[in-house]
Amino acid sequence: DQQVKQNSPSLSVQEGRISILNCDYTNSMFDYFLWYKKYPAEGPTFLISISSIKDKNEDGRFTVFLNKSAKHLSLHIVPSQPGDSAVYFCAALTQTGANNLFFGTGTRLTVIP
Amino acid sequence: NAGVTQTPKFRILKIGQSMTLQCAQDMNHNYMYWYRQDPGMGLKLIYYSVGAGITDKGEVPNGYNVSRSTTEDFPLRLELAAPSQTSVYFCASRVSGTSTDTQYFGPGTRLTVL
Repeated sequence: DQQVKQNSPSLSVQEGRISILNCDYTNSMFDYFLWYKKYPAEGPTFLISISSIKDKNEDGRFTVFLNKSAKHLSLHIVPSQPGDSAVYFCAALTQTGANNLFFGTGTRLTVIP
Repeated sequence: NAGVTQTPKFRILKIGQSMTLQCAQDMNHNYMYWYRQDPGMGLKLIYYSVGAGITDKGEVPNGYNVSRSTTEDFPLRLELAAPSQTSVYFCASRVSGTSTDTQYFGPGTRLTVL
């Protein structure tokens, strides 16, 4: 049972344009959400996060939006750069209990120069 | 700091063989995790540890065992390898401050069971 879903396996964007990666979740107990970035042959690295008490968090070129009623979050990258080409994983956790991360299936972003 | 290190990088096992995947971290993190990532899937938690001597099951623990005798090391044991265990295995660690603290991942071990 996949509690965190990323329905787009891949996305291609021109350099300089906006990249929008989407994520949906089913477990209403999730109250903290993260995006991880993964390059080939490396482990995932943390990118940005958002608490369920917020609807937006921004860090430089990266912004995460959370719509709790729709159980949906998105990652916006503006402007997109070729170095952003990677697999992006959405993840979620509940801050009580075991605090374990649940990951989505990932979206492969390709930024075309 | 080397961060989180994993050995080996690659391994091919025959069905029924056993092996230990090694994971070490030099950041003095109390929490450590083992995940597996199957092709086209997200990472799934196998086991985790909140400190030396304390381990607990994650989402997909069957076929694996762990131990945590030191803060630094968290090995994952496969006793009777099966083709369903073909996957990429990631180890991660984090400080024990709050649950939202960042998990730091190792580079992974790619395991094939034939």
